[in-house]
Amino acid sequence: QSALTQPPSASGSPGQSVTISCTGTSSDVGGYNYVSWYQQHPGKAPKLMIYEVSKRPSGVPDRFSGSKSGNTASLTVSGLQAEDEADYYCSSYAGSNNPHVVFGGGTKLTVL
Amino acid sequence: EVQLVESGGGLVQPGRSLRLSCAASGFTFDDYAMHWVRQAPGKGLEWVSGISWNSGSIGYADSVKGRFTISRDNAKNSLYLQMNSLRAEDTALYYCAKESVAQRSYDAFDIWGQGTMVTVSS
Repeated sequence: QSALTQPPSASGSPGQSVTISCTGTSSDVGGYNYVSWYQQHPGKAPKLMIYEVSKRPSGVPDRFSGSKSGNTASLTVSGLQAEDEADYYCSSYAGSNNPHVVFGGGTKLTVL
Repeated sequence: EVQLVESGGGLVQPGRSLRLSCAASGFTFDDYAMHWVRQAPGKGLEWVSGISWNSGSIGYADSVKGRFTISRDNAKNSLYLQMNSLRAEDTALYYCAKESVAQRSYDAFDIWGQGTMVTVSS
């Protein structure tokens, strides 16, 4: 049960786009379309932003989008806004014999 | 309003036990899998355990397997985590989280509680 790999930090100016990667293996990200992304502001509970690779829950702005290629998933935030500054975590189902979920280490997104 | 409220955290000595509870409201509890996710101070998220809507599928992180037991009482709209043989590295904020899609497990977590802090120290 190894954690997924995310860059520790990312940044962009207001209005720009930024993409955060999440690399796993064929046993998790590459093997299932159950990749999710969460946003967490300091002192707050995580918030679901993307599920099943590219689906947005109701209420999440369409500036947030997700994709996957092979063992790497990506979250793109377009039209960056100050309130997007937060920690972002990816997760994936990593199932079969022992069903479980793995998270990435998190990426701190800074809006310059 | 959909809500999850955790309780049961506190300061406990290494090797001792603690039982966390999560009270759910505002949704049909027995339609959804539920999970525990923890976050050590200043660290990232770690999935701890999950249980399907009917308790037919249960999973644990390797780090807690054999020490922690997840359970649910659908009649009481409640989720539990029995934590035994606690270690210093179990110190974390423990979140209860709801599965996003009914009768699916280990997909995504759309509702989170505010967490209950567990500190393991002598």
